[in-house]
Amino acid sequence: AQTVTQSQPEMSVQEAETVTLSCTYDTSENNYYLFWYKQPPSRQMILVIRQEAYKQQNATENRFSVNFQKAAKSFSLKISDSQLGDTAMYFCAFMMYNNNDMRFGAGTRLTVKP
Amino acid sequence: KAGVTQTPRYLIKTRGQQVTLSCSPISGHRSVSWYQQTPGQGLQFLFEYFSETQRNKGNFPGRFSGRQFSNSRSEMNVSTLELGDSALYLCASSLGSGGGGEKLFFGSGTQLSVL
Repeated sequence: AQTVTQSQPEMSVQEAETVTLSCTYDTSENNYYLFWYKQPPSRQMILVIRQEAYKQQNATENRFSVNFQKAAKSFSLKISDSQLGDTAMYFCAFMMYNNNDMRFGAGTRLTVKP
Repeated sequence: KAGVTQTPRYLIKTRGQQVTLSCSPISGHRSVSWYQQTPGQGLQFLFEYFSETQRNKGNFPGRFSGRQFSNSRSEMNVSTLELGDSALYLCASSLGSGGGGEKLFFGSGTQLSVL
């Protein structure tokens, strides 16, 4: 079974600074996808970034980038130039190549301080 | 383009009752998935529907069921409610290309409280 672990329940960062959220996962599969979602107080899950395991190049989306280490089964999220609107719960998630069953970590609550 | 719409936003029921939650996917999306979110168990996959058929199912008892209509709208039903069913129920839609790895677009959820 695939499991996702987020070891940082809470983190905080000053506005305009950089923060990195950690995620590790466990799978015996070779083909899969990894995601970061954010959940603000509105409760809606918003896709931040997606990584295909067969791609060595790390995904980036504007201020968001990942450090994907397949051998170490690590998938961290870096947020640059943090903004107040980045305050949210962040979930790391795993999905197999052949279905849409998404497995989530427990989440990291990020607070951006002015 | 309208996002994923879930109704109602809040629901209060008593033990033993049944409840039906509704989800309208993004136009053009054919796959709808349901997730349960609780403080203790986190986010857990319930099931996925595609073309009116259940394609995947998580580890939930048979009291949890769903269906999908020809317009891709989906409903989730929970019968004989228990206190532990109190949760935020999230619906997500995707294109439904047939494989995995799709980007899921979530609604704002239905907060169910069982008294």
